[in-house]
Amino acid sequence: KQEVTQIPAALSVPEGENLVLNCSFTDSAIYNLQWFRQDPGKGLTSLLLIQSSQREQTSGRLNASLDKSSGRSTLYIAASQPGDSATYLCAVSTGDDKIIFGKGTRLHILP
Amino acid sequence: NAGVTQTPKFQVLKTGQSMTLQCAQDMNHEYMSWYRQDPGMGLRLIHYSVGAGITDQGEVPNGYNVSRSTTEDFPLRLLSAAPSQTSVYFCASSTPADGGFGYTFGSGTRLTVV
Repeated sequence: KQEVTQIPAALSVPEGENLVLNCSFTDSAIYNLQWFRQDPGKGLTSLLLIQSSQREQTSGRLNASLDKSSGRSTLYIAASQPGDSATYLCAVSTGDDKIIFGKGTRLHILP
Repeated sequence: NAGVTQTPKFQVLKTGQSMTLQCAQDMNHEYMSWYRQDPGMGLRLIHYSVGAGITDQGEVPNGYNVSRSTTEDFPLRLLSAAPSQTSVYFCASSTPADGGFGYTFGSGTRLTVV
């Protein structure tokens, strides 16, 4: 059974720092991996989608990497800003029309 | 381009009442799914559909029914509401056609059962 783990569960960093959020999954036979952002009381916003054949994806200050063989993905946020404060969710698709979510990392950027 | 639209945004039900959570998407996505989000439990799959007329159970299907009569709509029905169904419900859609099963989520329905 595929399981997705995100560490740490919560993180506080000063504004301007670069940071890395981690995601691990137990079954390397994934179709893709997607990072989402969720603001309090809101829905999920897709940030980056990495196909199983890709190693990384970039969007602005965000960079996501994927290492299928080790079952790991990282989300790198450069030059963090208070507006980056949110919960970040990692989800893997196993190609059977479902995605499995981690429980998320709550990020707080200190002004 | 509305994406995935969920209604209502908030709902309070009494135990034993029934109701339908609506979900509609305008992206012609084949796949649609319902999740519930609870503190400490993350997002869990309730039901999903790979196309009109086809539905299947997810991780936590008990107490919920779904149908998919059109590509656009995927309503979730609570048969007899229970306090344990107090949660935030999200609908999502996806297609392999845009480069591979990227999911788009609705803004959620916050349900309280008293």
